[in-house]
Amino acid sequence: GNSVTQMEGPVTLSEEAFLTINCTYTATGYPSLFWYVQYPGEGLQLLLKATKADDKGSNKGFEATYRKETTSFHLEKGSVQVSDSAVYFCALRAASNTGKLIFGQGTTLQVKP
Amino acid sequence: GAVVSQHPSRVICKSGTSVKIECRSLDFQATTMFWYRQFPKQSLMLMATSNEGSKATYEQGVEKDKFLINHASLTLSTLTVTSAHPEDSSFYICSVTLGTAEQYFGPGTRLTVT
Repeated sequence: GNSVTQMEGPVTLSEEAFLTINCTYTATGYPSLFWYVQYPGEGLQLLLKATKADDKGSNKGFEATYRKETTSFHLEKGSVQVSDSAVYFCALRAASNTGKLIFGQGTTLQVKP
Repeated sequence: GAVVSQHPSRVICKSGTSVKIECRSLDFQATTMFWYRQFPKQSLMLMATSNEGSKATYEQGVEKDKFLINHASLTLSTLTVTSAHPEDSSFYICSVTLGTAEQYFGPGTRLTVT
């Protein structure tokens, strides 16, 4: 079946450090891939997405590239800020496009000043 | 502004009682609404898919008689946790979508059953 695996957290970084959160997936065909962010006490917000192989999603300085050959969609940011502290979820929507999202377990990022 | 609202944001109830959670799509008429459950420090687990005017489709392992879903209109879906028990305590999140487009998530409802 379809699944998403994220690196375990928490990830603790100093401000302006480089961020990578790994995400790999298992799916048939060509799923769409997403990164969502959940700030404390809030619901999930879409951060970025990619719908086909080699697409790069980007938003607010975050980037992720859809790598079919490695079945990965790693999230990166060159210089994190304290305000980036949140839980980040990688997710996929199957190629069958039923609308359902399958989430990874989430990675907590804490950025210290 | 917010696309999806949930009410209440927090609720505490006694074991054996029922609790209703509302999910409203504010910006558009949603063809489909999803209900998720999130345990502390864990991922979101899809509970059911709700389409307006038809019965909800429940994921495997989710008791449909315990978690009643009513999709009354294109802008409102409700989740009722019946005969709640402490193990039902969780964070319940809904999302809405138009067709197979992006899902917009509500802020969640924290349910505590004492």
